[in-house]
Amino acid sequence: EDQVTQSPEALRLQEGESSSLNCSYTVSGLRGLFWYRQDPGKGPEFLFTLYSAGEEKEKERLKATLTKKESFLHITAPKPEDSATYLCAVRGTQGGSEKLVFGKGTKLTVNP
Amino acid sequence: DVKVTQSSRYLVKRTGEKVFLECVQDMDHENMFWYRQDPGLGLRLIYFSYDVKMKEKGDIPEGYSVSREKKERFSLILESASTNQTSMYLCASSRLAGAGNEQFFGPGTRLTVL
Repeated sequence: EDQVTQSPEALRLQEGESSSLNCSYTVSGLRGLFWYRQDPGKGPEFLFTLYSAGEEKEKERLKATLTKKESFLHITAPKPEDSATYLCAVRGTQGGSEKLVFGKGTKLTVNP
Repeated sequence: DVKVTQSSRYLVKRTGEKVFLECVQDMDHENMFWYRQDPGLGLRLIYFSYDVKMKEKGDIPEGYSVSREKKERFSLILESASTNQTSMYLCASSRLAGAGNEQFFGPGTRLTVL
């Protein structure tokens, strides 16, 4: 069974204090690892897709990296507007490849 | 830009009522999904559809049914609402499996069953 574990559950940073969020996964044949941002009361917003170990993608202050067992979302010099819950999901070959398995998310708070 | 819209942002219903949640996407995506999201439990898949009139059960289909009569529209039906169905409901769509089939989500419907 495909599984995704995100850590920490919650993270508080000061503005400008860089850090990383972790997404550990077990999947039978990775066909994509996805990062989303979710603001309170809203639907998740797609950020990145990673397909193979060693791949990296960047968007503004966010950089996602992938190894064979985990992915990191690095946040460089965060601002208060980066406060949100960040979700990680994987798509594997088991149980219908159209489905994603989501982690429970990391709630990030950036204080001014 | 991909746009997924849901018929209501907030909905309050009584126990035993039949509830319809509607979702429309404008990107000609083959796949559509219904999730519910609860604190501490994360996103859980209720049903998904990979084509018109086709549906597959997700992880928690009990108490729900779905309908997909047109490619752009996917409906979630609660035949007889119960208080344990109070939740945030999220619809998503994606292309068929392959490179770039990330799911795009709607804004969500916060359903309260009294």
